[in-house]
Amino acid sequence: AQTVTQSQPEMSVQEAETVTLSCTYDTSENNYYLFWYKQPPSRQMILVIRQEAYKQQNATENRFSVNFQKAAKSFSLKISDSQLGDTAMYFCAFMSDFGNEKLTFGTGTRLTIIP
Amino acid sequence: GAVVSQHPSRVICKSGTSVKIECRSLDFQATTMFWYRQFPKQSLMLMATSNEGSKATYEQGVEKDKFLINHASLTLSTLTVTSAHPEDSSFYICSAGGQFLRGYTFGSGTRLTVV
Repeated sequence: AQTVTQSQPEMSVQEAETVTLSCTYDTSENNYYLFWYKQPPSRQMILVIRQEAYKQQNATENRFSVNFQKAAKSFSLKISDSQLGDTAMYFCAFMSDFGNEKLTFGTGTRLTIIP
Repeated sequence: GAVVSQHPSRVICKSGTSVKIECRSLDFQATTMFWYRQFPKQSLMLMATSNEGSKATYEQGVEKDKFLINHASLTLSTLTVTSAHPEDSSFYICSAGGQFLRGYTFGSGTRLTVV
């Protein structure tokens, strides 16, 4: 079974600074998908960014980018020019490329942006 | 983008009564819907996977007779908490999607309080 580990329960950073959230996972599969989801105080789960394992290029979405290291099974999220609205819980998640398409979530990192 | 509508957003019920939570996929057909439970400051815990036209698949430790799932159409899945007790108070979230959407979209969640 796959496991997802987020080793940083809480982080805080000054507004406009850059922050990196770490995520590692364990799988024996070669093809899979990785996601970062954001859950603000409203508790709505919002997709931040996704990465297909077969793609070597790191995904980027505006201020959000990932550092995907397949061999190391690492998938960190970098938030540049952090904004107050980035304050939220961030969950890393894994989805297999075959089978039942379940999402396996990490335990989350609570990120606080300090004005 | 794909939208999942979840209702109600909040519900308070008396102990011993049943509560139904609905999730609708508004602009796509969801053959599979996932139901999660989230305790405060914790990650999402998968409860069950509902499949249109067939029985739901429950995760280990989840009482299928307490948490009834129905997926009668390609756009509607329901979770009924039967004979609710205070320990069932939690935040329940549904999601749909998968490989064809290259990810998942989530409902806005239901905060259930059993008094």
